[in-house]
Amino acid sequence: DVKVTQSSRYLVKRTGEKVFLECVQDMDHENMFWYRQDPGLGLRLIYFSYDVKMKEKGDIPEGYSVSREKKERFSLILESASTNQTSMYLCASSLLVQPQHFGDGTRLSIL
Amino acid sequence: GIQVEQSPPDLILQEGANSTLRCNFSDSVNNLQWFHQNPWGQLINLFYIPSGTKQNGRLSATTVATERYSLLYISSSQTTDSGVYFCAVALYYGGSQGNLIFGKGTKLSVKP
Repeated sequence: DVKVTQSSRYLVKRTGEKVFLECVQDMDHENMFWYRQDPGLGLRLIYFSYDVKMKEKGDIPEGYSVSREKKERFSLILESASTNQTSMYLCASSLLVQPQHFGDGTRLSIL
Repeated sequence: GIQVEQSPPDLILQEGANSTLRCNFSDSVNNLQWFHQNPWGQLINLFYIPSGTKQNGRLSATTVATERYSLLYISSSQTTDSGVYFCAVALYYGGSQGNLIFGKGTKLSVKP
């Protein structure tokens, strides 16, 4: 079975902090994705990557950056956390032209 | 961009009842997935079904790509089926699969 692991289930940070969310997959998938989920807005794509060191902006990239130095790891970075970034963050991975598999999610609260 | 609409938005069932959830999409898609999000927020893959019919236990799904809809059937529902069911379609980006476009989900509550 595919395993996508997110580093934290719950995280509390303060406004202005630099926040790192980590995602690791164990199936040698080319594609990795970061989404956020908010009530009433559904799931929206922040960034995705289709190869090491490659990244593409999704629908809502403002305030975020990403890093993919190794194929198995895709990091989401909040450069200066703000309260409007309080959300559920979900990481996913897939092979080319194959279904996406999701991690358990990180509930991030910015105080 | 492509639109994904799910119906109904909310559904309440008695345990043992059957149900059908629908997903309409506005343009041709390459792939379609159904997910169940449990009360703890975990998104569980149910089906990867760009076309045709698949079954997994009490669940089955059918996608008619030419008519741009997909149906998820739940038979003999159980309280553990409660949660939100999402349909998501995938667009290709270059040679690889791009991001999923999610519908707003159907919130299912199964009463004992």
